[in-house]
Amino acid sequence: KAGVTQTPRYLIKTRGQQVTLSCSPISGHRSVSWYQQTPGQGLQFLFEYFSETQRNKGNFPGRFSGRQFSNSRSEMNVSTLELGDSALYLCASSLNLLGSEKLFFGSGTQLSVL
Amino acid sequence: QKEVEQNSGPLSVPEGAIASLNCTYSDRGSQSFFWYRQYSGKSPELIMSIYSNGDKEDGRFTAQLNKASQYVSLLIRDSQPSDSATYLCAVMTDYKLSFGAGTTVTVRA
Repeated sequence: KAGVTQTPRYLIKTRGQQVTLSCSPISGHRSVSWYQQTPGQGLQFLFEYFSETQRNKGNFPGRFSGRQFSNSRSEMNVSTLELGDSALYLCASSLNLLGSEKLFFGSGTQLSVL
Repeated sequence: QKEVEQNSGPLSVPEGAIASLNCTYSDRGSQSFFWYRQYSGKSPELIMSIYSNGDKEDGRFTAQLNKASQYVSLLIRDSQPSDSATYLCAVMTDYKLSFGAGTTVTVRA
């Protein structure tokens, strides 16, 4: 069974641009979560989607948005990029993210904002 | 107050020793607790999950949960050089997994 796939693996953008990251969950998984990881802040929750509905959202500005498609694939978008947005963005999937379920992480997209 | 706090590292232990990692969480409504291991340059990998008070053992790993004290711990017995990594405590609440900052463990050969 294929794991969680994130594309692209690396991305370089300049301030003010926007970026879209993609995540394909494990087959059969309907919950997709997004996280930002930086050396200073660690892993921070961005949002979680299930059946195309956002069920929870972290404390990030509105420049960060996401969506989920009917096939459970998810995208996240960051508009008006800032230098501080440079980070590893991780996507994770699970069946339904009920209490006892496990999250499986993708390899991440390393975003550098210049 | 951070949602999930871990004891500061780094933690250096000799090969064969026990590594002890601690974590506290702030939300009493949290129901599920996890330990992830992250090697440098890699994504987090689940190594233990625990949902009820007490101990849970899996090979060389033992997780302990005390909901009254809002405390989770991980013991790594017979530590091996391959255990050298950052260990992340994670707590699930309302479809949100909150992570601690992580404790970096180095096992000295």
